[in-house]
Amino acid sequence: EVHLVESGGGLVQPGGSLRLSCVASAFTFSNYWMSWVRQAPGKGLEWVANIKEDGSEQYSVDSVKGRFTISRDNAKNSVYLQMNSLRAEDTAIYYCARDEVGGFFNFWGQGTLVTVSS
Amino acid sequence: EVVMTQSPTTLSVSPGERATLSCRASEIVSSNLAWYQQKPGQAPRLLIYGASTRATGIPARFSGSGSGTEFTLTISSLQSEDFAVYYCQEYDCCKRFGEGTRVEIK
Repeated sequence: EVHLVESGGGLVQPGGSLRLSCVASAFTFSNYWMSWVRQAPGKGLEWVANIKEDGSEQYSVDSVKGRFTISRDNAKNSVYLQMNSLRAEDTAIYYCARDEVGGFFNFWGQGTLVTVSS
Repeated sequence: EVVMTQSPTTLSVSPGERATLSCRASEIVSSNLAWYQQKPGQAPRLLIYGASTRATGIPARFSGSGSGTEFTLTISSLQSEDFAVYYCQEYDCCKRFGEGTRVEIK
């Protein structure tokens, strides 16, 4: 059974940094694009960023460009989200998700909460 | 930039009744449209992709239709476990989600 487990969330001050991790299991990780999707408290879903199978291409939503960086380590079956210059509006549950062919998400982690507050 | 608009915001339905949820894209997204169900405290679950293809393990009471800019998710006979929030997502362009429709017990 496909399993995605996120970690690294927590409380951080505005302007601070945080690195999220997601470990995958039960599928050939290096064959799939991977994404991060977030959900602010009581709000809807927002795709944040994704990365190609070999890490050679990354894309992100405009609101995080220049601040967030997605990366992966296929040897560790892991995808990461480095978040810098964090703002209050980045407060959300961050989900790791596997991109299916085309760009929808069939498998999700349980999420990790990031709170940006002083 | 494509905008996904879902209606209604909240749908009150009695168990056993049919529920019809709508999703409109501001630009043509072909059939690159997915639907998700999310229950409190849980991650979203994929229901439909390609506008009308049920994901593995999804009951036949869930069906999707539409193409271009207008899409519909129909739940033919609501079960207690179907009361949740439903999101549409386009993946033709930018992986934009709609704001969700909450299906609540009438």
